[in-house]
Amino acid sequence: GESVGLHLPTLSVQEGDNSIINCAYSNSASDYFIWYKQESGKGPQFIIDIRSNMDKRQGQRVTVLLNKTVKHLSLQIAATQPGDSAVYFCAEMSNDMRFGAGTRLTVKP
Amino acid sequence: GAGVSQSPSNKVTEKGKDVELRCDPISGHTALYWYRQSLGQGLEFLIYFQGNSAPDKSGLPSDRFSAERTGGSVSTLTIQRTQQEDSAVYLCASSLATHNSPLHFGNGTRLTVT
Repeated sequence: GESVGLHLPTLSVQEGDNSIINCAYSNSASDYFIWYKQESGKGPQFIIDIRSNMDKRQGQRVTVLLNKTVKHLSLQIAATQPGDSAVYFCAEMSNDMRFGAGTRLTVKP
Repeated sequence: GAGVSQSPSNKVTEKGKDVELRCDPISGHTALYWYRQSLGQGLEFLIYFQGNSAPDKSGLPSDRFSAERTGGSVSTLTIQRTQQEDSAVYLCASSLATHNSPLHFGNGTRLTVT
């Protein structure tokens, strides 16, 4: 899960398993949320987004769930692959876009 | 089309020197953001430009940091009198003017202050 801190939370999964990465956002006025993937030496890449009028959105192998009541966002990755190993960030938008601390996902072959 | 381009990709400077980091956003994107990312940490918001509006500078950590965006396109982040704690990756992102548009990031400039 996400937390504000000095060290990234980590998640280690076996190849082929499903992954769930969690994020607690801070601003109840945020109305747009995005998950990004960041590989070493690169900028964050867009994965999937969701607007506040939805509670679930699915993409290819990824699903984002939004619970506005508890200000919680999650990213589910189906059949995790070694190429999914990266740091994952959630972002929330109100007046501008702010990012969570990130979670490092490691996929074991 | 081309993505967000940042230059230089790496910059090593001596403490006390000034540095300029450049960002070329995606053509047509009117929103531009600067973030700072220290090793192993998340993205720290620095500044946000939206069209011709006054920029949101609320994230700039000190008055040594400033940014400009000329002609609504290219942006320059300037750090004066650099300190060792300024060492980080500086990321630029752009998006369409509409609210609820994803940010597209460059690969960043890695700044090392010795």
